Amino acid sequence: DTGVSQDPRHKITKRGQNVTFRCDPISEHNRLYWYRQTLGQGPEFLTYFQNEAQLEKSRLLSDRFSAERPKGSFSTLEIQRTEQGDSAMYLCASSFPPDTQYFGPGTRLTVL
Amino acid sequence: AQSVSQHNHHVILSEAASLELGCNYSYGGTVNLFWYVQYPGQHLQLLLKYFSGDPLVKGIKGFEAEFIKSKFSFNLRKPSVQWSDTAEYFCAVEPQDTGRRALTFGSGTRLQVQP
Repeated sequence: DTGVSQDPRHKITKRGQNVTFRCDPISEHNRLYWYRQTLGQGPEFLTYFQNEAQLEKSRLLSDRFSAERPKGSFSTLEIQRTEQGDSAMYLCASSFPPDTQYFGPGTRLTVL
Repeated sequence: AQSVSQHNHHVILSEAASLELGCNYSYGGTVNLFWYVQYPGQHLQLLLKYFSGDPLVKGIKGFEAEFIKSKFSFNLRKPSVQWSDTAEYFCAVEPQDTGRRALTFGSGTRLQVQP
């Protein structure tokens, strides 16, 4: 399968713990995006990378969130000191401009 | 900042009925427009997109959408729905003229097709 992959698919954690998610984009795509989706809502943009450079961050991305794409391939999204309000589906997408964003299956985070 | 409104939150149709899902956006500049679909248990998939040219866009599985610039609308249509169209549908907009690459999504419309 050559689509966007995300790992893990599900994560349950206790409040205050740190979690890290991984995204592997489609191989030739140089842009990578993170979104968050809560129940009953559409995805909300968090941040995006072009190659290894993080070019834009949403105001939704608090100081507890950090994303990296060290070699311009896979990306990680870390949430420190998780809160119950962080419970959501975290989606990754990739694109090669000017084409469309292709989405992965998401990581569902539950914070207890 | 741009925003997207999908006024129909939940639509229930019988098979063979016609479908029209509304999407309106607010943004003063030029935009790219998308409809994504999320089937139960699956990830978001592109249904169709509009970048420029013919405002009537045809997508996969018999779906089409019409961009009406004067109304800031990009409604999704299908003449005859099938049970397999049961899914959640999201409209999204991306400004062309800012260099900003983020998609802004509507809140989605859940379509339930009854056999």
